[in-house]
Amino acid sequence: GESVGLHLPTLSVQEGDNSIINCAYSNSASDYFIWYKQESGKGPQFIIDIRSNMDKRQGQRVTVLLNKTVKHLSLQIAATQPGDSAVYFCAETYGANSKLTFGKGITLSVRP
Amino acid sequence: EAGVTQSPTHLIKTRGQQVTLRCSPISGHTSVYWYQQALGLGLQFLLWYDEGEERNRGNFPPRFSGRQFPNYSSELNVNALELEDSALYLCASSPWVGSTNEKLFFGSGTQLSVL
Repeated sequence: GESVGLHLPTLSVQEGDNSIINCAYSNSASDYFIWYKQESGKGPQFIIDIRSNMDKRQGQRVTVLLNKTVKHLSLQIAATQPGDSAVYFCAETYGANSKLTFGKGITLSVRP
Repeated sequence: EAGVTQSPTHLIKTRGQQVTLRCSPISGHTSVYWYQQALGLGLQFLLWYDEGEERNRGNFPPRFSGRQFPNYSSELNVNALELEDSALYLCASSPWVGSTNEKLFFGSGTQLSVL
């Protein structure tokens, strides 16, 4: 069935270091993946997305990697800043008329 | 450009009452989604509307319902409130491009507390 999960509930990193947040998905038919960031008291904010015809996509300080062979998605944040502290969700969907399914979220805490 | 707006921001109700939450999508977006986020949990899909029609529904009881208006705004109704309905209710919108899915843009949510 559909499920999206995260390996770790929390991640603590030193300011300036790179962060890697991992996500596993179980539906091999999933063809669209999104990373969201949610700060306290706010709705999820889009970070970056990737479709299944790609294995890597870069944004500003962020990179998403998709490994369809092992059904794994990761978010890399370069030079992590205090403002990156938030809960991060991966989400997946497939085809049209399909809901976006979210993982449970991982908290990223940046140490000064 | 205005983002997704939701009202009210906070709401306190008692068990058995009914509540209506409102959402205005981003201009030009025809799809509206509702998600429930209980404290410390992920986002659980509730409903998806597009062009006034219900496109998909999550695993929630029938007392959760909604509708979409001709201007694409939407309401979420919850009848016979239960304590476990306490959560942040998030609305999101996206443009409908037919054959593919697009990213969702979220509002800040309505925090519902049921006492």
